Amino acid sequence: GQNIDQPTEMTATEGAIVQINCTYQTSGFNGLFWYQQHAGEAPTFLSYNVLDGLEEKGRFSSFLSRSKGYSYLLLKELQMKDSASYLCAVMDSNYQLIWGAGTKLIIKP
Amino acid sequence: GAVVSQHPSWVICKSGTSVKIECRSLDFQATTMFWYRQFPKQSLMLMATSNEGSKATYEQGVEKDKFLINHASLTLSTLTVTSAHPEDSSFYICSARAIRPPTTSGGPTDTQYFGPGTRLTVL
Repeated sequence: GQNIDQPTEMTATEGAIVQINCTYQTSGFNGLFWYQQHAGEAPTFLSYNVLDGLEEKGRFSSFLSRSKGYSYLLLKELQMKDSASYLCAVMDSNYQLIWGAGTKLIIKP
Repeated sequence: GAVVSQHPSWVICKSGTSVKIECRSLDFQATTMFWYRQFPKQSLMLMATSNEGSKATYEQGVEKDKFLINHASLTLSTLTVTSAHPEDSSFYICSARAIRPPTTSGGPTDTQYFGPGTRLTVL
């Protein structure tokens, strides 16, 4: 079956760095996506990885290792507004997005 | 680019009535749109995949006669919750599949962009 695993909840301090991990097992692979979802709102696209390595976009970076079925989202210089759920999703061989359950990130002052 | 709208943003209705939710891709054509449901503090649940000009594909456990989906054009899909009951109260979110040619700056050539969601409350 297809499976995406990520931690349920993480807590970090304002100004610090946090890494949210995601492991996956899917039927085929056409890219891995990270979305951010604030409470009561729809998800917004954050990042995309299809090749191994690190993609940096401002304070956010995303890493992919296809051989290990592993990705992480790295958030630097955390701000209170970064408190949200972070969803990992993999596009399978049918170009369908398979979703993880999301990681709720709590930022403390 | 890649803006998706949903209407209405929220709706309150009486039990037994039907509610229609519209999902529009404003600046691109979407041959495929997706409908999700999300209960409080839970993850997204895919309800159905809507393809322009053909019948929707429903996920296991989703009643196709209760959740009617119509994708009549490349920019519009509608979800109608028929004979709504309190247990149908949820956050309904649509997404539209955007496919674009590769660019030198990289980025996904195939991804989903979400509408803002519709909060349905059935009394």
